[in-house]
Amino acid sequence: AQTVTQSQPEMSVQEAETVTLSCTYDTSENNYYLFWYKQPPSRQMILVIRQEAYKQQNATENRFSVNFQKAAKSFSLKISDSQLGDTAMYFCAFMRLESGGSQGNLIFGKGTKLSVKP
Amino acid sequence: DVKVTQSSRYLVKRTGEKVFLECVQDMDHENMFWYRQDPGLGLRLIYFSYDVKMKEKGDIPEGYSVSREKKERFSLILESASTNQTSMYLCASSLRISVDYEQYFGPGTRLTVT
Repeated sequence: AQTVTQSQPEMSVQEAETVTLSCTYDTSENNYYLFWYKQPPSRQMILVIRQEAYKQQNATENRFSVNFQKAAKSFSLKISDSQLGDTAMYFCAFMRLESGGSQGNLIFGKGTKLSVKP
Repeated sequence: DVKVTQSSRYLVKRTGEKVFLECVQDMDHENMFWYRQDPGLGLRLIYFSYDVKMKEKGDIPEGYSVSREKKERFSLILESASTNQTSMYLCASSLRISVDYEQYFGPGTRLTVT
């Protein structure tokens, strides 16, 4: 069974600085996706960034980037130039691909609460 | 824009009551999911559905049932609510096969059972 571990329950960062959130996972699968989802206070969960396991290049989305280390089964999220609006719970998630390309279920970590301070 | 809506943001029920949580999506997604979110535990999958009238148990189905009579609607049912079912409930939907495999979430229902 796959597991996802986020070892930092809470983190804080000063506005405009850079912060890295850690995530490790355990799987014997070769074909899978990894995601970071963001849940702002009292707002809906939204996707931040995704990474296909077969791609060696790290995904980036504006100020958000990942460090994907497949052999180490590590998938950290870096937020550059942190903004007050980045304050949220961040969840790392794993999804294996089923046969035929359909998606399997998401397996979530326990989350990291990030506070961006002015 | 994909929209996933849930019938209530906040709900207070008494122990033993039958509770219905409704979720509707407007993007013709095949997959729908019900999660429970508790502090320090992350999101845990209760039930999911890949098609109308189909349902599969997730990791914590005990005490819950679901119904999917129409493609756009997925209901979570607590047959006899208990205090340990006090939690945030999140609904999500997604395409069965897509280029990005993104799940789209509703705003959540915070259920309190007294």
